Amino acid sequence: AQKVTQAQTEISVVEKEDVTLDCVYETRDTTYYLFWYKQPPSGELVFLIRRNSFDEQNEISGRYSWNFQKSTSSFNFTITASQVVDSAVYFCALSEAQGAQKLVFGQGTRLTINP
Amino acid sequence: DSGVTQTPKHLITATGQRVTLRCSPRSGDLSVYWYQQSLDQGLQFLIQYYNGEERAKGNILERFSAQQFPDLHSELNLSSLELGDSALYFCASSRGNTIYFGEGSWLTVV
Repeated sequence: AQKVTQAQTEISVVEKEDVTLDCVYETRDTTYYLFWYKQPPSGELVFLIRRNSFDEQNEISGRYSWNFQKSTSSFNFTITASQVVDSAVYFCALSEAQGAQKLVFGQGTRLTINP
Repeated sequence: DSGVTQTPKHLITATGQRVTLRCSPRSGDLSVYWYQQSLDQGLQFLIQYYNGEERAKGNILERFSAQQFPDLHSELNLSSLELGDSALYFCASSRGNTIYFGEGSWLTVV
């Protein structure tokens, strides 16, 4: 069975600090997708990134970066120079690559950026 | 804006009642998913439809049912509601292996 673990329940940092959110996953599938979603206080789930299991290249998008390491089954998310608007709950998720692509979510990490 | 539209945004109802949540997927997306987010269970997959047919089922209670119509919009029916059904219900649609979520429907059962 697939499983996603976000061990950090809550993180609180001061604005402009860098912060890394950890995600560890379990799957028997050889091909799969990994995702990160952001849930701000308003409640919607905002898609941030999708990563194919074949592609271990790290990705950077502005202040956001993602480190995918298949050897350790991890897909960590780093926010550089954090801002108050980054305060949200962040979810890591996993889906199979074939068939129904239902997402298995981690429990989420609540990130608070203090001014 | 993900392009997935859900109504109503907020709903308060009494135990034992029945409600219907509605979802319009992104234009052109054939798949619709329903998820439930509760404090106890986190985000859980309920059910998926693809072009009108049920494709996958998750932890959906027998009191809950869903369907997808020919115009691809979907409805999630929740009946005999219990206090524990209070949650945020998300609809999502997918394209190119990426799943986009609507803003959710907040259901409160009192």
